[in-house]
Amino acid sequence: EVQLLESGGGLVQPGGSLRLSCAASGFTFSTYAMTWVRQAPGKGLEWVSAISSGANYTYYSDSVKGRFTVSRDNSENTLYLEMNSLRADDTAVYYCAKGFGGLNAFDVWGQGTLVTVSS
Amino acid sequence: SYELTQPPSVFVSPGQTASITCSGHKLGNNYACWYQQKPGQSPVLVIYKDTKRPSGISERFSGSSSGNTATLTISETQAMDEAHYYCQAWDSNTVLFGGGTKLTVL
Repeated sequence: EVQLLESGGGLVQPGGSLRLSCAASGFTFSTYAMTWVRQAPGKGLEWVSAISSGANYTYYSDSVKGRFTVSRDNSENTLYLEMNSLRADDTAVYYCAKGFGGLNAFDVWGQGTLVTVSS
Repeated sequence: SYELTQPPSVFVSPGQTASITCSGHKLGNNYACWYQQKPGQSPVLVIYKDTKRPSGISERFSGSSSGNTATLTISETQAMDEAHYYCQAWDSNTVLFGGGTKLTVL
């Protein structure tokens, strides 16, 4: 079964850091681009970051550029999101998703992990 | 900045056809896809490359694109189709989402 499982969310103070992980199984992880998408409580989907299959290319939304870093370990079938200088408006459920036709669509999504930034 | 615009809400009666639009000035040059998200669940891809349906998605879901507008159409709408729907495109190294449309079946 194709599956993505996020972990690493939790409560963090403003200015703090957190590292999210996304464990992939059931497909050849190293051949697919991956992305992180977040959803603030009661709000819509917001793209955060993406990474090519071989990690040669990384992409970020303006709202996280310079604070977040996406990476992947294809030998461990795991995607990461390193989040620094966290702010209250970073509070959201963070989803990882598998690229489908590059980054034109995402056909497999994890269940999400909640990040709460609050003092 | 480039944005994708969706109506906040669409209402449809059971058995009727619902249409949700997504407009963006670069959509004519990029594929659009659509996701369905029900409360407390992760998004599900229902249409990709403007018109294609992933395996396992009901034939009642279809997509089209004309000019700078993509449209998701749900025929014979059922109560189970009530959800938020989001369009998405990839352009200039950026993933874009529309603001989402709440489909209410009543």
